[in-house]
Amino acid sequence: DAKTTQPPSMDCAEGRAANLPCNHSTISGNEYVYWYRQIHSQGPQYIIHGLKNNETNEMASLIITEDRKSSTLILPHATLRDTAVYYCIVRLNTNAGKSTFGDGTTLTVKP
Amino acid sequence: GAVVSQHPSWVICKSGTSVKIECRSLDFQATTMFWYRQFPKQSLMLMATSNEGSKATYEQGVEKDKFLINHASLTLSTLTVTSAHPEDSSFYICSARDRRWTSTEAFFGQGTRLTVV
Repeated sequence: DAKTTQPPSMDCAEGRAANLPCNHSTISGNEYVYWYRQIHSQGPQYIIHGLKNNETNEMASLIITEDRKSSTLILPHATLRDTAVYYCIVRLNTNAGKSTFGDGTTLTVKP
Repeated sequence: GAVVSQHPSWVICKSGTSVKIECRSLDFQATTMFWYRQFPKQSLMLMATSNEGSKATYEQGVEKDKFLINHASLTLSTLTVTSAHPEDSSFYICSARDRRWTSTEAFFGQGTRLTVV
């Protein structure tokens, strides 16, 4: 799996958009970008994934740069319940479940 | 989405005893399950891959004789921490992959917090 780099922490005001960056400059052509989050003392929760096109679901949007070397997870209207550690993972989609977790970004949503 | 359940959610045991943690896929069948360990303020570390009907594959540095994994059915994998010691205290998390799809997301359990005293 390609290595990812994320800022260790970020703050966001409640109701505002949270933009979480991830660098994955060594990503290979068939590797996907996955995002998970882990709320304190719980198991990770899948958020979204993509290959090269931007993706959107009910939780978030994923913006992947054209060269695929970086991506941004966007939570459009952050709430206090979005406070969590967010992990960006790059891997083959056939390796579902077998993920290499980095240190992630601790997002704190403040009122 | 699919549900993966772990039992127990937390357990306290005495040093030297063994503890079994269950991971169940509730509404799907999983030929493959994964076990992770997470120490305080650290990220998740993959311990082993559990395959239904065959031996588990352990990551480098994980003692297979200490962490026994059994995946006897398509909905259940168990992790037994044998002769537990305080340094085994950790948050253990499993994930399961739906056998019906070849490229899909795996679903995580809620985790089991093990404290060895």
